[in-house]
Amino acid sequence: QSALTQPASVSGSPGQSITISCTGTSSDVGGYNYVSWYQQHPGKAPKLMIYEVSNRPSGVSNRFSGSKSGNTASLTISGLQAEDEADYYCSSYTSSSTYVVFGGGTKLTVL
Amino acid sequence: EVQLVESGGGLVQPGGSLRLSCAASGFTVSSNYMSWVRQAPGKGLEWVSVIYSGGSTYYADSVKGRFTISRDNSKNTLYLQMNSLRAEDTAVYYCARDCGSYYEGAFDIWGQGTMVTVSS
Repeated sequence: QSALTQPASVSGSPGQSITISCTGTSSDVGGYNYVSWYQQHPGKAPKLMIYEVSNRPSGVSNRFSGSKSGNTASLTISGLQAEDEADYYCSSYTSSSTYVVFGGGTKLTVL
Repeated sequence: EVQLVESGGGLVQPGGSLRLSCAASGFTVSSNYMSWVRQAPGKGLEWVSVIYSGGSTYYADSVKGRFTISRDNSKNTLYLQMNSLRAEDTAVYYCARDCGSYYEGAFDIWGQGTMVTVSS
């Protein structure tokens, strides 16, 4: 069982917006603004899409945005494109001995 | 070009050992927080270990006492020594750089991954 809870799957049509949630506790998501989001295509390494809750690394499309409320962080993808179909993982710094915890991952299907 | 290239994975028997390497280019390993993250087949990501720029090291409970993270500054290379390997250690192992000012798990550079299979 992963430390952070994500929905197993979400789907949307091209052009639509979707949101993926990531729920933790006050020891991780709720306690720090150190939430990151990763995109992973099959057989590839993860790619950082969002860090520190809402910051985008250089080169990441502004269609990707992040937010946080309490113990739940969210990733929103607007203007869905076929290439967005992938697995998405959230992570957070944690005050536990684990230091970094990941969510179980969400499979995004673009219909 | 900024990149990480892992090597050293393979098939090992339960109880055996393996050392993974992660060669960096385009940046200095010793000036960054460097981590290992693994992914079992068909499963999610799991944080394994980190070495701080100052040299402090930390491990997930699942590998504590069995794995050792280290670096060779002259070779600009990160290592993961894995001993007493178990079937549940079977995974793709990634090395990654944290881009935060503090260690926060914001991994902006990842290697391509190296597969470790523990089986008799």
